[in-house]
Amino acid sequence: GAVVSQHPSRVICKSGTSVKIECRSLDFQATTMFWYRQFPKQSLMLMATSNEGSKATYEQGVEKDKFLINHASLTLSTLTVTSAHPEDSSFYICSARNLGGGETGELFFGEGSRLTVL
Amino acid sequence: GQNIDQPTEMTATEGAIVQINCTYQTSGFNGLFWYQQHAGEAPTFLSYNVLDGLEEKGRFSSFLSRSKGYSYLLLKELQMKDSASYLCAFMDSNYQLIWGAGTKLIIKP
Repeated sequence: GAVVSQHPSRVICKSGTSVKIECRSLDFQATTMFWYRQFPKQSLMLMATSNEGSKATYEQGVEKDKFLINHASLTLSTLTVTSAHPEDSSFYICSARNLGGGETGELFFGEGSRLTVL
Repeated sequence: GQNIDQPTEMTATEGAIVQINCTYQTSGFNGLFWYQQHAGEAPTFLSYNVLDGLEEKGRFSSFLSRSKGYSYLLLKELQMKDSASYLCAFMDSNYQLIWGAGTKLIIKP
């Protein structure tokens, strides 16, 4: 079946540094990918919708200059957390919809990336 | 407005049956999803309902009533590995997923 791969799975960084997380759809093309963050014991919070070849659409309250999203190809989207601070520590998850299933096709998730900012 | 609600936590016994309910309100609806999420892992797809009725897939079944804004996930022959959070989400008119907070299911021997 379709697979979405996310890398790295865990990252620890110092406050003030930038961290890039990659999300790849391995066997299907995804014009749209979604980025979520999830705090412990809480639901997924949509951060932004990443569209191939255009600017990402950010949800209200999400700083676009802090969370840079690039969707350069039909199989790759990246999320860069710039000047990370301890409050950015969270579980970041990407997802992609298999267009073969149409607009309501199944949403596949990456494995998630746990970011810890010291 | 839009909202979605599911119980925070449920407990069941190994081998038994459990039903996790999900209610929602929205003006535009393009289907309801159920996902399973083990602690520290990303969610995995369980089911998708867009028409009223029951969809059965092995030990798991999902039901939808669009007129009532109601869905449930039914888990039969519970196993310890079924201990997880179960997330329901509906797809709105913009094809965006609106997520519930998840139901933590605890399975006891």
